[in-house]
Amino acid sequence: NAGVTQTPKFRILKIGQSMTLQCAQDMNHNYMYWYRQDPGMGLKLIYYSVGAGITDKGEVPNGYNVSRSTTEDFPLRLELAAPSQTSVYFCASSSGLGGLYEQYFGPGTRLTVT
Amino acid sequence: DAKTTQPTSMDCAEGRAANLPCNHSTISGNEYVYWYRQIHSQGPQYIIHGLKNNETNEMASLIITEDRKSSTLILPHATLRDTAVYYCIGHPSGSARQLTFGSGTQLTVLP
Repeated sequence: NAGVTQTPKFRILKIGQSMTLQCAQDMNHNYMYWYRQDPGMGLKLIYYSVGAGITDKGEVPNGYNVSRSTTEDFPLRLELAAPSQTSVYFCASSSGLGGLYEQYFGPGTRLTVT
Repeated sequence: DAKTTQPTSMDCAEGRAANLPCNHSTISGNEYVYWYRQIHSQGPQYIIHGLKNNETNEMASLIITEDRKSSTLILPHATLRDTAVYYCIGHPSGSARQLTFGSGTQLTVLP
């Protein structure tokens, strides 16, 4: 049981490039989340999904897109990367069983845009 | 989510109990208290949650006051690997939306 996995661990992008951050979970969780964490700051929600085919915006969705075609995978797409998107990106999942939503996080992707 | 207040930092000697307080005086009746921690450069890690009863698991104990306005996370025998930022979060039952992480408490376990 690998939990939540994220790839890549590190990436450097040039301004204007695009990339997809991968996230997968093997716990059969319906709920998945993408957060970003800037240096010395708290986590901010980018997008979340309550199940396959359903996604919704979080606090800071601009410049990102997501899709959820399967329960296991929740990729985050960056189009036209900007320096403001330099951050650490965390994916998380939760089961929602019993109305409780403790979230399990992946190890993160460290992205630098120059 | 309830506003929570935690001390900015705390030290604890290795092998001793670490008691981390959290004030959540505005917590509503259906909000659970969740504790997470984030070890440097890693993703946040779920520790424990509770509603009104004290809870214990393999990682920690959670003591919630009877009026639910505050709680204490107890790590019974702190180790150097417990050095991390600890977050106390109020989150409503039945809500799938995001957790709101505040600034947390930086716990440093000293050898």
